[in-house]
Amino acid sequence: DAGITQSPRYKITETGRQVTLMCHQTWSHSYMFWYRQDLGHGLRLIYYSAAADITDKGEVPDGYVVSRSKTENFPLTLESATRSQTSVYFCASRAGTNQPQHFGDGTRLSIL
Amino acid sequence: QQQVKQSPQSLIVQKGGISIINCAYENTAFDYFPWYQQFPGKGPALLIAIRPDVSEKKEGRFTISFNKSAKQFSLHIMDSQPGDSATYFCAASKETSGSRLTFGEGTQLTVNP
Repeated sequence: DAGITQSPRYKITETGRQVTLMCHQTWSHSYMFWYRQDLGHGLRLIYYSAAADITDKGEVPDGYVVSRSKTENFPLTLESATRSQTSVYFCASRAGTNQPQHFGDGTRLSIL
Repeated sequence: QQQVKQSPQSLIVQKGGISIINCAYENTAFDYFPWYQQFPGKGPALLIAIRPDVSEKKEGRFTISFNKSAKQFSLHIMDSQPGDSATYFCAASKETSGSRLTFGEGTQLTVNP
């Protein structure tokens, strides 16, 4: 099915561990984004990508790493997870300017 | 720096009433103002969007009002229904600089039957 999918939907890990959240879109959209959603903060941009092999920092990039070797995939890695990174993470994609942005259904990440 | 401020944080409305959510922005270069609707366990979905060359846009029961001089825009939901109960986010972007949306903090709307 066409769309944007995130995996896993739920993840529990421990502090200090590395964890990777996956995002895959089937539309060949140029732009992809990672957000975290926390109560009282809305959606905050972590990283974004304008095309394959082009990534840039958003509002809260510290502690996160991204890559985009293929247009359809945009994984987010927490290199050494901390409790403050417990959150719901959303991936999104967009064809370009003046186009709607589509979100996945999120990954709920808990770091113990 | 919070560039888009949204209020209220939560809102309770009776069925059939009007729900109003407000947003204010700081960056005068913003030229695209969407509203997103989010149900529990789901990602946000685009509801309606407006550009600063118009003062109002209506789609069904949903209307955006835009005041460029005041740097404010609002979402009005007419004849609110229990199925409208969700979290609503306003957002803004400067479309010529990478399509990055800046979101408000969100409003949790509850429509009582």
